[in-house]
Amino acid sequence: KAGVTQTPRYLIKTRGQQVTLSCSPISGHRSVSWYQQTPGQGLQFLFEYFSETQRNKGNFPGRFSGRQFSNSRSEMNVSTLELGDSALYLCASSLDVPRENEQFFGPGTRLTVL
Amino acid sequence: AQSVTQLGSHVSVSEGALVLLRCNYSSSVPPYLFWYVQYPNQGLQLLLKYTTGATLVKGINGFEAEFKKSETSFHLTKPSAHMSDAAEYFCAVSGPNNDMRFGAGTRLTVKP
Repeated sequence: KAGVTQTPRYLIKTRGQQVTLSCSPISGHRSVSWYQQTPGQGLQFLFEYFSETQRNKGNFPGRFSGRQFSNSRSEMNVSTLELGDSALYLCASSLDVPRENEQFFGPGTRLTVL
Repeated sequence: AQSVTQLGSHVSVSEGALVLLRCNYSSSVPPYLFWYVQYPNQGLQLLLKYTTGATLVKGINGFEAEFKKSETSFHLTKPSAHMSDAAEYFCAVSGPNNDMRFGAGTRLTVKP
């Protein structure tokens, strides 16, 4: 069974640009969650999607958005990039509710904003 | 709101020694508690989780954790460290609204 895949693995952007990250969950998993990991703030929850609907959202500005497609694949978008957005972005998938079902994490996309 | 505090950002043990990684939680409702491990350049992997019932939880790779409500703790232990245990470990809590709150992480070093 293939694991969670994230593309691209590495990305370099400049301030003000926008970026889209992609996550393909494990087959059959309908819940996809996104996390931001930085040395200063640690791991922070961005949002969770289930069946194409955002079911839960963390405390991030509106520049961070996401969506989920009918095949459960998910994308997250960050507009008007800031230096502080440099981070490892992790995607995790689970069958349903994350706290009741094991979340499987992808290897992450490392975003560098110059 | 839920939160976790991991005591000690770095822990170093000798191979074969006891591993003890500390985690304290704060939650206004019965929490779901988790321990994850992260190896370099990889995502997180679930070691174990506590939901309800038995307070001693056994996980993968010989790790276990004990939920102590009176101490609001969920410390992770392993009787004998192996070199392959060197990684970063995260404690996390999830409340009824399903958002996962992670601790700052503890980097475990295992000395030969």
